[in-house]
Amino acid sequence: KAGVTQTPRYLIKTRGQQVTLSCSPISGHRSVSWYQQTPGQGLQFLFEYFSETQRNKGNFPGRFSGRQFSNSRSEMNVSTLELGDSALYLCASSLVQGGTEAFFGQGTRLTVV
Amino acid sequence: GENVEQHPSTLSVQEGDSAVIKCTYSDSASNYFPWYKQELGKGPQLIIDIRSNVGEKKDQRIAVTLNKTAKHFSLHITETQPEDSAVYFCALQGGGSYIPTFGRGTSLIVHP
Repeated sequence: KAGVTQTPRYLIKTRGQQVTLSCSPISGHRSVSWYQQTPGQGLQFLFEYFSETQRNKGNFPGRFSGRQFSNSRSEMNVSTLELGDSALYLCASSLVQGGTEAFFGQGTRLTVV
Repeated sequence: GENVEQHPSTLSVQEGDSAVIKCTYSDSASNYFPWYKQELGKGPQLIIDIRSNVGEKKDQRIAVTLNKTAKHFSLHITETQPEDSAVYFCALQGGGSYIPTFGRGTSLIVHP
């Protein structure tokens, strides 16, 4: 069974630009959650999508958004990038809403210059 | 939001020793407590989890214990091996919120 796939693995963007990250969950998993990981703040929850609807949202500004498609694949978008958005962005998939027993992808390393 | 404190931040042991990492929390309604292992350049991997209706769970060399009264849960690794070297995160969910909260991580170093 294929694991969670995130693309791209690495990205370099300039301040003010926007970026879209992609996540393909494990086959059969309908929940996809997104996280930001930084040395300073650790692992922080961004949002969860289940059956194409955002179910839970963390404490991040509206520049961070996402969506989920009918095949459960998910995308995350960050607009008007700031230097502080440099981080490892992880997605995790789960069978059930709520994201328990989650399986993580390898992440997308975003660097904003 | 919920707060979880994880200790120690760094743990250095000799191969074959045991390692214990502890997390304390404040929301008594939390009911799901997973542990993740993150190796360099990889995403976190779920290694064991426990729910609030269970006090202890074991899987080969790893175990998790939960003390709901004292509001802490611990990861125990026995007979450590160099490949156990990684960063370990505790997390919790529940209490009416699906939003997971993670500890700050413990860097475990197992010396051969």
